[in-house]
Amino acid sequence: GESVGLHLPTLSVQEGDNSIINCAYSNSASDYFIWYKQESGKGPQFIIDIRSNMDKRQGQRVTVLLNKTVKHLSLQIAATQPGDSAVYFCAETGGTSYGKLTFGQGTILTVHP
Amino acid sequence: NAGVMQNPRHLVRRRGQEARLRCSPMKGHSHVYWYRQLPEEGLKFMVYLQKENIIDESGMPKERFSAEFPKEGPSILRIQQVVRGDSAAYFCASSQGARRNYGYTFGSGTRLTVV
Repeated sequence: GESVGLHLPTLSVQEGDNSIINCAYSNSASDYFIWYKQESGKGPQFIIDIRSNMDKRQGQRVTVLLNKTVKHLSLQIAATQPGDSAVYFCAETGGTSYGKLTFGQGTILTVHP
Repeated sequence: NAGVMQNPRHLVRRRGQEARLRCSPMKGHSHVYWYRQLPEEGLKFMVYLQKENIIDESGMPKERFSAEFPKEGPSILRIQQVVRGDSAAYFCASSQGARRNYGYTFGSGTRLTVV
C-alpha cells in the first residue's frame, strides 16, 4: 500500500552543525506534509508543515523542502542544538481533507556537544 | 489550557484481559484520532471519531478493538482479550474541526504492556 519512508534511520551531528533529514513518500495524492519531533516518552510535536503548492517553507531554524517530481521532502535544522536530539517523523494526509496521517519510520537525530 | 490528556500513562495487562485507554481532547476540540506506535516504528492510524460518531476506522483491527467518543466524557479505545502483540504506545490527537491542520495536537500516549 501507500507509505511514507525515510532514507536514513539515524543521524549524528555536532552541536552547531546543520542537519538534514530526508523523507520519501509514495502516495501521489498527498497534498499536505508535516514534520514532527518526538522525544522519549512523549507524543509527536508539530515542527512545520507544507502544502503541495509550495516547494519551500521556513520556520525558526527549520526549513522544509518539497520535491513533488520525485516525491521527496526534507527537513533542515540550522545550528543544531543538543535539545534537538529526538526522533523526527514526516507525515502526510494522502489527499484526505481531515487529519488521517500516514507516518514515516522515523530518523533518530543525536546532537553531540 | 490543558493539552490532550491520556490516561493511564502506563498500563500492564495479562494476556486475555481487557485494556481501556482514555483520551480527553483539548477544550473545544470535538475530533479525536487514535494511533498505535510499535517500538522503532512510526505511528499508524487506527480510527477517527467525532462526538458520538466513528468517521474512519480503516486502521482498526477487525476483532477485539473498539473505540467510542460519547457526547460526554473522554474517548475510549478498548482492547478485549489482549495479546502480547498489542504491546505498544497508543496516542490520540484532537482537533477543533475536520480540517487536517485545525489545531491538531497529540497527547503523551499510553504505553500498554501485555505480559
